[in-house]
Amino acid sequence: DAKTTQPPSMDCAEGRAANLPCNHSTISGNEYVYWYRQIHSQGPQYIIHGLKNNETNEMASLIITEDRKSSTLILPHATLRDTAVYYCIVRLTNDMRFGAGTRLTVKP
Amino acid sequence: DARVTQTPRHKVTEMGQEVTMRCQPILGHNTVFWYRQTMMQGLELLAYFRNRAPLDDSGMPKDRFSAEMPDATLATLKIQPSEPRDSAVYFCASADLILRQGGGNTIYFGEGSWLTVV
Repeated sequence: DAKTTQPPSMDCAEGRAANLPCNHSTISGNEYVYWYRQIHSQGPQYIIHGLKNNETNEMASLIITEDRKSSTLILPHATLRDTAVYYCIVRLTNDMRFGAGTRLTVKP
Repeated sequence: DARVTQTPRHKVTEMGQEVTMRCQPILGHNTVFWYRQTMMQGLELLAYFRNRAPLDDSGMPKDRFSAEMPDATLATLKIQPSEPRDSAVYFCASADLILRQGGGNTIYFGEGSWLTVV
C-alpha cells in the first residue's frame, strides 16, 4: 500500500472549516483513500473514503486532486468534539495500516 | 446501531498470566482484524481472518500470541504468558470484504481492550 504524509499537528478555531492535507504521491490507480479519526481513548472512527471523485457525507468532505497524489479532508464547521488524531490511509488490499496521523486541536 | 463489541474493556494482570480478549464482530461481516496500539508504535496490525480462516498473522508475535475464531460471532486474542511489554490497547475491527475487490469496503473498529501487565 502507498505511504502517506500528514502534518503532525494542526489547530483550528471552533466554527471554522478544518482542512487536513494528506500527500500520497505513490498511490496506484486502484488504491482507495480512507480517513479515520481517533478521539482520545476511543477506537478509530471511519469518516469517509474515495477512489477518484470527491466525496461528501454527513461528517466531512474529501477532495482528491486530479492526479490523485494528494487529498484534503474538510470538516466544514469544526467543533470542540472534533479534536482528535486524523489518519489518512491509502489502501489497496484487504487490510489497512495506520501511520502517525495529524493531531487536530479545535480551539474555542 | 451495529457495532464491534470487545471484552474486557480493561484488564490488569500479573506478568506470566494468560490473558484472553474477545471480540464480537458486526453481524454479517466476514473479516475480523486485531490491532495493537501503544504510544511508541502507534496502531499496528497484528492479524486478520476471513470467514474464520487466518489470512495474515505476520504482525503477531508467534511465541506468546494466538488468535482464533471459534465461530462467526466470536474472535479471540490470547497472550500466554503475558509480559509487561504487552501492555497496550488492543482493538478488534470487522468488515464485509470481497476478495479481489481490495480496499473498497469500510472497516469498523471496536472500543478496545486496555491491557496492563504488571
